[in-house]
Amino acid sequence: NAGVTQTPKFQVLKTGQSMTLQCAQDMNHNSMYWYRQDPGMGLRLIYYSASEGTTDKGEVPNGYNVSRLNKREFSLRLESAAPSQTSVYFCASSEGGTNTEAFFGQGTRLTVV
Amino acid sequence: LAKTTQPISMDSYEGQEVNITCSHNNIATNDYITWYQQFPSQGPRFIIQGYKTKVTNEVASLFIPADRKSSTLSLPRVSLSDTAVYYCLVGDPRQLTFGSGTQLTVLP
Repeated sequence: NAGVTQTPKFQVLKTGQSMTLQCAQDMNHNSMYWYRQDPGMGLRLIYYSASEGTTDKGEVPNGYNVSRLNKREFSLRLESAAPSQTSVYFCASSEGGTNTEAFFGQGTRLTVV
Repeated sequence: LAKTTQPISMDSYEGQEVNITCSHNNIATNDYITWYQQFPSQGPRFIIQGYKTKVTNEVASLFIPADRKSSTLSLPRVSLSDTAVYYCLVGDPRQLTFGSGTQLTVLP
């Protein structure tokens, strides 16, 4: 049982390049989330998907797009990377509803130069 | 969304009970209170969730007064491995918004 799997674990991009961060969960969860965490800071919600087929903006959605491909997968795309997007990105999933127990992936460390 | 206020940092000694309080004056009727723990270079880990009164599990207790404007996470007999950042989350369960957290350092 892998839980939440993120790929890649590390990535270096040049300014202006695009990339997609992949996230998959095997717990049959309804809700999925994408966060970013800058050094010494708390997590900030980028986008979330409360159920398959729906996505909503979080606190810091600018510069990102998401796709809830199916119930298992939730991808995050950076269309034109900027140095300000250098961060650690975490994907998470939960059953949803009133259950706030989320399970997190191991994170993707992204550097934009 | 209900904004939360927590102490930036706390120190404790091994074996002591630690209480971390979170203020959330604007909590809404449908909001739940949740606490997470995060170690360096890892994603957060769920500790406990509550709506009112007291909730206890195998690792912690959560105390919520009747007005729900604050909550206290209680960690019994902490060890060095409990050194981490602890986050209080309050709001729409669909969004799971984290604040800045409390850095707990457990000293020998």
